Amino acid sequence: GQNIDQPTEMTATEGAIVQINCTYQTSGFNGLFWYQQHAGEAPTFLSYNVLDGLEEKGRFSSFLSRSKGYSYLLLKELQMKDSASYLCAVTDSNYQLIWGAGTKLIIKP
Amino acid sequence: GAVVSQHPSRVICKSGTSVKIECRSLDFQATTMFWYRQFPKQSLMLMATSNEGSKATYEQGVEKDKFLINHASLTLSTLTVTSAHPEDSSFYICSAREGDSRETQYFGPGTRLLVL
Repeated sequence: GQNIDQPTEMTATEGAIVQINCTYQTSGFNGLFWYQQHAGEAPTFLSYNVLDGLEEKGRFSSFLSRSKGYSYLLLKELQMKDSASYLCAVTDSNYQLIWGAGTKLIIKP
Repeated sequence: GAVVSQHPSRVICKSGTSVKIECRSLDFQATTMFWYRQFPKQSLMLMATSNEGSKATYEQGVEKDKFLINHASLTLSTLTVTSAHPEDSSFYICSAREGDSRETQYFGPGTRLLVL
């Protein structure tokens, strides 16, 4: 079956760095997305990785290793507004988007 | 990024009535639109995928006669919840994609439906 694993919840301190991991087992791979979802709101796009390596975008970076079926989202200089759920999603060989359950990130002052 | 709007943002209706939710891509042509449902503290659940001009593809367990989807143009898709019941109360979110599956899905702000 197809499976995407990410931690259910993480806690970090304002100003610090946090890494949210995502591992996947899917039938084929055609890209991995990270989305941010604040409570009660729809998801917003953060990043897309299809090749191995690190993609940096401001305070957020996303890393992919296709051979390991692994990605992480790195958030630097954490702000209180970064408290949200972070969703990992993978496009499989049928070009279906498979969603992880999301990681709830709690930022403490 | 691309902008997707959804209307209404919130709706309360009586059991047995029908509710229509609109999803529009404002600055791009959406070849494909997706409809999701999300219950509190749960992940997104894909309900159906619709391509402009053709019938929607529903996920297993989603009743096509209850959740009517129309994707009449490249910028508009509608979801109609027919004969709504309290168990249909949920957060309904649409997303739109411009090209093929390598393109990013952009989400609308969501519609919160409460059926009394």
